[in-house]
Formats: sequence, C-alpha cells, structure tokens
Amino acid sequence: AQSVTQPDIHITVSEGASLELRCNYSYGATPYLFWYVQSPGQGLQLLLKYFSGDTLVQGIKGFEAEFKRSQSSFNLRKPSVHWSDAAEYFCAVGAPQAGTALIFGKGTTLSVSS
Amino acid sequence: EAGVAQSPRYKIIEKRQSVAFWCNPISGHATLYWYQQILGQGPKLLIQFQNNGVVDDSQLPKDRFSAERLKGVDSTLKIQPAKLEDSAVYLCASSLTGRNYGYTFGSGTRLTVV
Repeated sequence: AQSVTQPDIHITVSEGASLELRCNYSYGATPYLFWYVQSPGQGLQLLLKYFSGDTLVQGIKGFEAEFKRSQSSFNLRKPSVHWSDAAEYFCAVGAPQAGTALIFGKGTTLSVSS
Repeated sequence: EAGVAQSPRYKIIEKRQSVAFWCNPISGHATLYWYQQILGQGPKLLIQFQNNGVVDDSQLPKDRFSAERLKGVDSTLKIQPAKLEDSAVYLCASSLTGRNYGYTFGSGTRLTVV
C-alpha cells in the first residue's frame, strides 16, 4: 500500500541550530515527493518538490531535501532555524504524473526555542 | 495570480445538521481536490475532479458527503447529516495537468460539529 511515514511527531530545536525532519515512503515506483508547511490556521504552503534528476533539491525559506532511493527517504533540512519556522511540516507523495492526488504523512510539529 | 479561494473560513454546527463549503480554484487548473484534515493528522483525499468529472471518490463517505463541480470551475462539498467525527479542516486544492505539477491549497474551512 502507498504510505508516507513521518517518524517524529514533535521536534524542538534551538534557534540557530540545524534541523532535519524525516520522511519515509512506500510506493510502487519512484513517486513525486513534496514537503509542505502549515502555520496555525493557514493552508498548506509548498516548500519544495522532487520529480527527477539531482537528488538534492532546494526550496523556499532556506530549506532543502535529499531524495535517497535506496532508503525510500526524502528528509527535509535547514542549516539554521529561525523562530518563524515553528509550524507543522508535512511530507507527501504523488504518482509520477501530473493531476493525481497526494498522499500525506501525519506531520511533524516543529517548535523553536530561544 | 489569485490563489484557491474557500469559504467560509469557520463553521460551527450541531450534529445532524447540514453544511456546505465552497471552493474556487486557480483559473485554468483543471483538477480540483477536496481533502479532510483531522486535528493531528495529515490531509486525506475525499474527492478529486478533473474538469467537472469525478476521478476518485473512493474515500468519500457517500452516505453523508456529496460534492459537485459545476461547469468545471467552482466546487461545493456538502455534509448531511453531520457527525461529531466530521470536525476537521476541509482543504480545497487545484492543480495543473501539465508537467509542472502545480498544486495549490486554499486556506481551508474549519468545521466544528457540536
């Protein structure tokens, strides 16, 4: 079955420290991969996406993610976290074709301490 | 470009009442999705439209939920009668069907059933 696992429900990081959010997926083929961020009361904002090619993708707000086929993972990273990064982060997968629905993980809540 | 518009932003109803949500996708986006996001979970697809036809409604509780997309543009999602477990955020998204896989979410409607 197709699924996305985000092992960490809640992570707390000090401001200025580095961040890595984990995402593992189960899919029949190499899917399209996405990371979204959701601030309280807001919709989902796309941080970055991977379709093919270079396995290290850059996104908005200084985020990057690395696709590792052998580990079925797509972990999100940021070298230095800012207080405004506190939010909920969702990893999602989709079939390798446009116009298909996404399957989301349960999300990781990021708290940033000063 | 204007985003995906949803209304209302918030709705509180009593169980067994009916409620409707409205979504206006980005102009030119042929595919429209309704997702249900229960607190603490990732969004789950309820129904997907391609123009005004249904592509996937396998996870829509059809005994109480219905959705339509007239003229391939706006869409409404209805719940009748509502149950307590329907309390959630209902997210509308739209996407291109071209290679760029543009996928944009609205801010959502937060439904509370009491």
